[in-house]
Amino acid sequence: QMRLQQWGAGLLKPSETLSLTCAVYGGSFSGYYWTWIRQSPEKGLEWIGEINHSRTTNYSPSLKSRVTISVDTSNNQFSLKLSSVTAADTAVYYCARGRYCGGTTCYWYWFDPWGQGTLVTVSS
Amino acid sequence: EIVLTQSPGTLSLSPGERATLSCRASQSVSRGYLAWYQQKPGQAPRLLMYEASSRATGIPDRFSGSGSGTDFTLSISRLEPEDFAIYYCQHFGSSVTFGQGTTLEIK
Repeated sequence: QMRLQQWGAGLLKPSETLSLTCAVYGGSFSGYYWTWIRQSPEKGLEWIGEINHSRTTNYSPSLKSRVTISVDTSNNQFSLKLSSVTAADTAVYYCARGRYCGGTTCYWYWFDPWGQGTLVTVSS
Repeated sequence: EIVLTQSPGTLSLSPGERATLSCRASQSVSRGYLAWYQQKPGQAPRLLMYEASSRATGIPDRFSGSGSGTDFTLSISRLEPEDFAIYYCQHFGSSVTFGQGTTLEIK
């Protein structure tokens, strides 16, 4: 049974960089896109971006200028960095397993499982 | 970007009743890219249905999904106390979008 465990700083000041990491336990790491999603009362569930083991990334257009997702395949981990945070970035951040892609074909366009979530608060 | 609109915003029902939740897309989408999630307070969303009508592992058969084109439905045949939660639909297209959620509350 695959399990995702995430960690990172929960309190940031405006203009700082958010940094979270998610470790994947059990199951295959390669082939999947590993995803970050956030949730706030204002915006609901919001997809941030994804990365696969080959370091191919896709980002939300609205966050692309500030987001970097990276992967550490030797430890089955992936990370999120969001720069220049403001109060609008206050949210619960989740990591999740996303779609599977083999060759030129992708499957399973949903998210399962999810990490436990990390509340990130941006406040001066 | 496809917008998903869920209705109703809040649904008040009693245990044992049937629940019908709607998810409407701003343009036609493929069933293969439509999923449903359940979220309880303090927990991450949990996958319920994928490809519009396939139950995820461990999901009881009182949950069912249907629909095509722009209109999709999640049905719960006989509500159990643990079913009262928030439900989200999700589409994977050029970007990923979620509906705003339907809160299923005990009447």
